[in-house]
Amino acid sequence: KQEVTQIPAALSVPEGENLVLNCSFTDSAIYNLQWFRQDPGKGLTSLLLIQSSQREQTSGRLNASLDKSSGRSTLYIAASQPGDSATYLCAVPPPRAGSYQLTFGKGTKLSVIP
Amino acid sequence: EAGVAQSPRYKIIEKRQSVAFWCNPISGHATLYWYQQILGQGPKLLIQFQNNGVVDDSQLPKDRFSAERLKGVDSTLKIQPAKLEDSAVYLCASSSVDTQYFGPGTRLTVL
Repeated sequence: KQEVTQIPAALSVPEGENLVLNCSFTDSAIYNLQWFRQDPGKGLTSLLLIQSSQREQTSGRLNASLDKSSGRSTLYIAASQPGDSATYLCAVPPPRAGSYQLTFGKGTKLSVIP
Repeated sequence: EAGVAQSPRYKIIEKRQSVAFWCNPISGHATLYWYQQILGQGPKLLIQFQNNGVVDDSQLPKDRFSAERLKGVDSTLKIQPAKLEDSAVYLCASSSVDTQYFGPGTRLTVL
């Protein structure tokens, strides 16, 4: 059974800092990994999806990397802003093709202090 | 394009009562998901539909939870009777290929 772990559970940084969020998964037979953002009282917003054949994916100030062999992914946020404050979750689907049932980590709650 | 719609946004009930949630997915999305997110946890899949058929309901507590997808579009999730541990946010998502798009969720409080 796939398990997804996110470290740290919470992170507080001053505005302008670069930061890294970590995600690890136990079954490396994944075909993609997705990072989401969740604002309080809101649903999830997809940030980045990395296919298993990719090493990195970038969107603006966000960069996600994937190392399948070690079962790890990182989300790098450059020049953090107060608007980045939210909970960030990573999720992976099961290894079988055609199934998109996601297993989520518990998330990292990020606070960016002005 | 319009996103995934859910209603109600909030619901407070007493234990042993019944409750129903509604979801309208993004137009054209064949796959619909219901997740349960308990405070401090990641979402857990309850049921996945492909059009109006069930693909996976292995984590749905079938003694009290039921779900249907009418004509392969809208979906309802029902809890009958509710327990205290059902307090959570219930998220609906839809997808056409890889990326899932989530609705705002329904926050259920069971007293």
